[in-house]
Amino acid sequence: EDQVTQSPEALRLQEGESSSLNCSYTVSGLRGLFWYRQDPGKGPEFLFTLYSAGEEKEKERLKATLTKKESFLHITAPKPEDSATYLCAVRTNYGGSQGNLIFGKGTKLSVKP
Amino acid sequence: NAGVTQTPKFQVLKTGQSMTLQCAQDMNHNSMYWYRQDPGMGLRLIYYSASEGTTDKGEVPNGYNVSRLNKREFSLRLESAAPSQTSVYFCASSDAGTGSNEKLFFGSGTQLSVL
Repeated sequence: EDQVTQSPEALRLQEGESSSLNCSYTVSGLRGLFWYRQDPGKGPEFLFTLYSAGEEKEKERLKATLTKKESFLHITAPKPEDSATYLCAVRTNYGGSQGNLIFGKGTKLSVKP
Repeated sequence: NAGVTQTPKFQVLKTGQSMTLQCAQDMNHNSMYWYRQDPGMGLRLIYYSASEGTTDKGEVPNGYNVSRLNKREFSLRLESAAPSQTSVYFCASSDAGTGSNEKLFFGSGTQLSVL
């Protein structure tokens, strides 16, 4: 069964304390891995797409990496405004023309000043 | 830039009542989606529309119907609401099928409570 597991469920950091969020996946054929940010009461907002093992993408304090079985979202020197729930999603090669997009349950990040 | 607009933002229904959630996008995207988000669970796909005039079932379609009215609009209908349909509903759109442009753009959600 295809699965996407995010850990930890919740993470509390002090401002400036770097850390990583994990997204592990078991799918038969990976077409792409996506990271989204979701603020309370809002819809998810796209951050990154990764397509192949070894690929890395960066945006401000965030860096996403991909291996054959997991992805990491590294947060360097976080600020309180980075507080949000971070969602990982995997698109598979099958499931019609759209592929099948499987979301993880998310990691809720809180950054305290 | 409005992006993806959903209405209403909040709704309370009684069991058995019907309602339609509206969604419109102004990005000229071909594909549109309806998801539900429940506590402790990932986003789950209800229905999607790959292009104007087509709709397909997602992971949890039972109890819902959809209409792709035109390229901009995609509505979700609950014919006879049940408490199990209490959830936050998100509409999304994308330019899926165009290679790297597979990212989804989400609306701000509809919080639905069925009593």
